[in-house]
Amino acid sequence: AQSVTQLDSQVPVFEEAPVELRCNYSSSVSVYLFWYVQYPNQGLQLLLKYLSGSTLVKGINGFEAEFNKSQTSFHLRKPSVHISDTAEYFCARTGTASKLTFGTGTRLQVTL
Amino acid sequence: GAGVSQTPSNKVTEKGKYVELRCDPISGHTALYWYRQSLGQGPEFLIYFQGTGAADDSGLPNDRFFAVRPEGSVSTLKIQRTERGDSAVYLCASSPTPGALNTEAFFGQGTRLTVV
Repeated sequence: AQSVTQLDSQVPVFEEAPVELRCNYSSSVSVYLFWYVQYPNQGLQLLLKYLSGSTLVKGINGFEAEFNKSQTSFHLRKPSVHISDTAEYFCARTGTASKLTFGTGTRLQVTL
Repeated sequence: GAGVSQTPSNKVTEKGKYVELRCDPISGHTALYWYRQSLGQGPEFLIYFQGTGAADDSGLPNDRFFAVRPEGSVSTLKIQRTERGDSAVYLCASSPTPGALNTEAFFGQGTRLTVV
């Protein structure tokens, strides 16, 4: 079965520091990967997606992610975080079906 | 509308009661999805509509859950004989192209269902 693993349930970080949120996926022939952000009391918003091509994907709000097939990873990174980046981040995938399979989420807490 | 709209935003119901949750997708979007997000978990797929028909309902947990989309736009998720374990945030999403994996799905703010 397709799965997505987010090992870190919470990541505390100081403002302006770099951050990496980890995501691993179960290997399959075809995989499409996504990162979504969920701010408090709001719906999910797409940060970025990997479908094919360049393994380094750039998204909104200064985030980027790198698709690593050999390590089956799709880690999310930002070189300098802001207080406003505090939110829940979800890694997700689709395969041959249209539905998204989500990880359990990582709570990014940015403090001064 | 400007985005996916879900009503109500909050719903408290007694165990055993029937509830309906409504999703109004972005105008023109033919694909519509329902997900359920329990506390501390990621969203879990429930059902996917392509137009008026349910293309994939494999995520519905049991026969107490049912969803319709009679005119290919608004969808209603129906839960009969609610149980406390049904308490969760129910998310709806829509996308312009049915089944296209490279198309972004736009999510609503969700309905928080609490069964007491």
